Amino acid sequence: EDQVTQSPEALRLQEGESSSLNCSYTVSGLRGLFWYRQDPGKGPEFLFTLYSAGEEKEKERLKATLTKKESFLHITAPKPEDSATYLCAVQAVRGGATNKLIFGTGTLLAVQP
Amino acid sequence: EAQVTQNPRYLITVTGKKLTVTCSQNMNHEYMSWYRQDPGLGLRQIYYSMNVEVTDKGDVPEGYKVSRKEKRNFPLILESPSPNQTSLYFCASSRRQGLNTEAFFGQGTRLTVV
Repeated sequence: EDQVTQSPEALRLQEGESSSLNCSYTVSGLRGLFWYRQDPGKGPEFLFTLYSAGEEKEKERLKATLTKKESFLHITAPKPEDSATYLCAVQAVRGGATNKLIFGTGTLLAVQP
Repeated sequence: EAQVTQNPRYLITVTGKKLTVTCSQNMNHEYMSWYRQDPGLGLRQIYYSMNVEVTDKGDVPEGYKVSRKEKRNFPLILESPSPNQTSLYFCASSRRQGLNTEAFFGQGTRLTVV
């Protein structure tokens, strides 16, 4: 069964304290892995797409990496405005719908000043 | 501005009273879908549509209906809501099926069924 697991469930960091979020997946026919950011009361906002093992992408203080079984979202010197829930999703082939996203339950990140 | 618009944002209703949550996108996207988000369960797909008049069930379709008569609109219909449908609902759209395209999400509709 296709599955996406994120860890930790919650993470509290001090401003400037770097860390990583993990997303492990078990899926057949992987087409892509997505990272989204979700602020309270809002819809998920796209951050990155990774397609193949070894790929890396960066945006400001965030860097996403991908292996054959997991992805990491590295946060370097975080600021309070980075506080949010970070969602990982994989795009898999299911029937005829290759746009299907399977989401993890997210990591709630709190960055304290 | 590219966006997905859902209405209403908040809704409290009673068991059995039919309701519709509207979703509209202005990006000419072919693919649209509905998700519900529940604590500890993450986002789960309810229904999706690959184009006008083409819809199919997602992972949790029971108790829901959808239609896609126009490309931009994808309403979610609850014919007889029940308390277990209390949840946060998101509509999403993306460019096309078969490509690794990002999904754009609406702001969400928080539904409470009493």
